[in-house]
Amino acid sequence: QVQLQESGPGLVSPSQTLSLTCTVSGGSVNSAGFYWSWIRQHPGEGLEWIGHIYYNGRSFYSPSLKSRVSISVDTSKNQFSLRFTSVTAAETAVYYCARDRGGGQLDVWGQGTTVIVSS
Amino acid sequence: QSALTQPRSVSASPGQSVSISCTGTSSDVGGYNYVSWYQQHPGKAPKLIIYDVTRRPSGVPPRFSGSKSGSTASLTISGLQADDEADYYCCSYAGSDSSRVFGGGTRVTVL
Repeated sequence: QVQLQESGPGLVSPSQTLSLTCTVSGGSVNSAGFYWSWIRQHPGEGLEWIGHIYYNGRSFYSPSLKSRVSISVDTSKNQFSLRFTSVTAAETAVYYCARDRGGGQLDVWGQGTTVIVSS
Repeated sequence: QSALTQPRSVSASPGQSVSISCTGTSSDVGGYNYVSWYQQHPGKAPKLIIYDVTRRPSGVPPRFSGSKSGSTASLTISGLQADDEADYYCCSYAGSDSSRVFGGGTRVTVL
């Protein structure tokens, strides 16, 4: 079955760029009909949808984050990535990647990776 | 695009039922039949338990059911069990630019 695994630095300095990667196994990022998503969870808080990239490469973002976020896909490595510019302490969170079958049906999740923004 | 509104917490004894509401607007919950629910135990990734308002993924017991009326969706857990103690989040398709929006989450406590 499809499995997702996040990877990236656990510590990022303020004002720098956060880059995370999600590796897909047991399936393909090219599979028709799927959105490849990023969601985050601030400490002790709820889930926040960041954005996703459709299998055809088109990306969509949360209106409140779209000026600083980009999501891309690398089909050769079967990975998709999140890039978050000009980070502040407000970006400290657990970041999850997930597969969306459409309509918000997030049926496969990675285990999550903790990112701390601090100098 | 604001977060969907959920009660902070609900509680009940084993064997009883609880319902969790998820209130949005005509731009999200009320406008589409694309509401999903997630269960999250502490330190774990969320797990899909309801999608498309009422559908259950394979392996999710029928004790979990979903419904919607207007701009409010609901999750009902019947025959409450100790392992149901967790945080529950609703999520809705939000139309423009294929956005999704989550609720703030509800802590279910089994007394």
